[in-house]
Order: sequence, then C-alpha cells, then structure tokens
Amino acid sequence: NAGVTQTPKFRVLKTGQSMTLLCAQDMNHEYMYWYRQDPGMGLRLIHYSVGEGTTAKGEVPDGYNVSRLKKQNFLLGLESAAPSQTSVYFCASSYGRTATYEQYFGPGTRLTVT
Amino acid sequence: DQQVKQNSPSLSVQEGRISILNCDYTNSMFDYFLWYKKYPAEGPTFLISISSIKDKNEDGRFTVFLNKSAKHLSLHIVPSQPGDSAVYFCAAIIQGGSEKLVFGKGMKLTVNP
Repeated sequence: NAGVTQTPKFRVLKTGQSMTLLCAQDMNHEYMYWYRQDPGMGLRLIHYSVGEGTTAKGEVPDGYNVSRLKKQNFLLGLESAAPSQTSVYFCASSYGRTATYEQYFGPGTRLTVT
Repeated sequence: DQQVKQNSPSLSVQEGRISILNCDYTNSMFDYFLWYKKYPAEGPTFLISISSIKDKNEDGRFTVFLNKSAKHLSLHIVPSQPGDSAVYFCAAIIQGGSEKLVFGKGMKLTVNP
C-alpha cells in the first residue's frame, strides 16, 4: 500500500497563476482533508470531505477550491495564486467516525508563489 | 482564538532522560486527543491518543496524561532517544462532531546524544 500520496512534491508559481494539487489514498478511507502548514502556525484545515462527491470548508478556505469526484482522490485548486499561499500543503485521510480519529498524512507539497 | 495551545516552541533533552511535552486546550467540548510526530520533509504521523474517559494511556516509551479539570495534557517520552527529535503536534477533536482535528502549533524536540 502506498498510503497517501501527493502530486507534485514541489512547485513554484507566479502570482495569478493557477494549479491543482492531487491527493490519492489507497486505504478506502471515507474522509479526506487538506491542510496548510506555515511557520509558527501549526496545521490549519483548508477544506475537507466526508465522502465521495462531498466537500466542506475548514478554517482557512479562502482562495482555494476542492473536488472529490472519486473516493480515492481529493483535489485542491488555486485559481489565482497569491504570495500568501506560499506554504507546505498536506493531504490526509481517515476512516471517519472511528474510535481513534487517526488521520494518515501524505508527504506534503511545498508551494512557493512569487 | 487558538483552541489548542502548545506554549513552548522547543525543548532540548539529553538521550536517556525524560521528555515532557505539554498541551493546553480551551474548548471543554473536546473529548479526544492525539499526538502526532513530524520529521522534516515528511508528513505528520500518528503517535498516541487518549479519550477523555481516561487520564492516562501508555504505548511503549510514550505515555499521554490528561487532566480534564485543568484542560491540560502532556506527552512523556521515556527514555528519550535521538530518533525522537522531531516536531510534535497536539490535536483535539469533538467525538461525534465534524471529524475535524484542531492542531496546536507544534513543539520541536531535540534529543542530544
């Protein structure tokens, strides 16, 4: 099992450009999440999904969109990148409504917006 | 307003000694808590968790203590090893809620050989 994978690992964008980050999991998890990690800020939830075809806003959703067309994939889109979106992005997945609430994280995507 | 707080950004200990990482929370509705460990250039990995019905949970060298009245939990690592050097995140969740973990800002632990 690959677990949670993220594509790409690194990306540099110019302000105003768009891009999509792909997250894939092979654990048949219902729930998937996108976080961003900034220095001194911890992990902040951007958007999440509780099942195929569903999405919901997290703590910092502005400037991002997401889609969950297939259960195993969760896409994060930036329509018009801004320097404030320079960050490390982590995708996570979980079984959802279990006794442990454990989330499994991908290796991260480092995005720089110039 | 930060609901999960890790007030010390870093901790340095000697190999073989105890590491104590602290976490405070403000939302009394939180009833399940997790610790994650993160190495550089990797995603966080789950370490240990505790439900609010317990005050202690142990897994090998790792023990988490929960003090509900003080809204405080701590992670004890005994004995500490150089491989434990990482950033540790405390997280909390309301069971039966929206399945959203709330993370603290993290604490960097350095274990010196």
